[in-house]
Amino acid sequence: AQTVTQSQPEMSVQEAETVTLSCTYDTSESDYYLFWYKQPPSRQMILVIRQEAYKQQNATENRFSVNFQKAAKSFSLKISDSQLGDAAMYFCAYNFNKFYFGSGTKLNVKP
Amino acid sequence: DARVTQTPRHKVTEMGQEVTMRCQPILGHNTVFWYRQTMMQGLELLAYFRNRAPLDDSGMPKDRFSAEMPDATLATLKIQPSEPRDSAVYFCASGADRGRRSYEQYFGPGTRLTVT
Repeated sequence: AQTVTQSQPEMSVQEAETVTLSCTYDTSESDYYLFWYKQPPSRQMILVIRQEAYKQQNATENRFSVNFQKAAKSFSLKISDSQLGDAAMYFCAYNFNKFYFGSGTKLNVKP
Repeated sequence: DARVTQTPRHKVTEMGQEVTMRCQPILGHNTVFWYRQTMMQGLELLAYFRNRAPLDDSGMPKDRFSAEMPDATLATLKIQPSEPRDSAVYFCASGADRGRRSYEQYFGPGTRLTVT
């Protein structure tokens, strides 16, 4: 069965610093998609970045990048130059047929 | 700016009443998902559709919940009768897929349901 694990319930980072959020997943499939979503206090779920499993190159979107280790089934999110607006819950998700979400990591950004 | 819309945004109702939530997916998307989010259970998948056909509703309490897509521009989630434990935020999301893999999924703003 597919499962997604986010082992860090909460993290803190200083403004302008870099932080990495961890995610691991379990699957027997070889071709799938992985996503990171951000949920600020407004509750809106915002797609941050996605990765195709068959692509070795790590996805990047401005200050957000991933470290995708397929063999290790690891998919971490790196946020560079953290901003106060980055404070939110972050959810990792795996997709094959339906979506499987992790339990989330709450990110605090300190000024 | 294409986005998923949901109505109502907030709903307060009494136990035993019927609740209907509506969702308009992004034009051109072929998958629709209904999720429920609570503090205790996190984000739960209730049902999902591909090309308007229901594919999986195993996460949905069958005795009181039902989900339909009467056409490509409308998805509905009904609760009848509602109970206090149904209080949660209900999200609709739409996406596009290739085969069995979705390469994108966008969420609506959610319906915050309170059952008293």
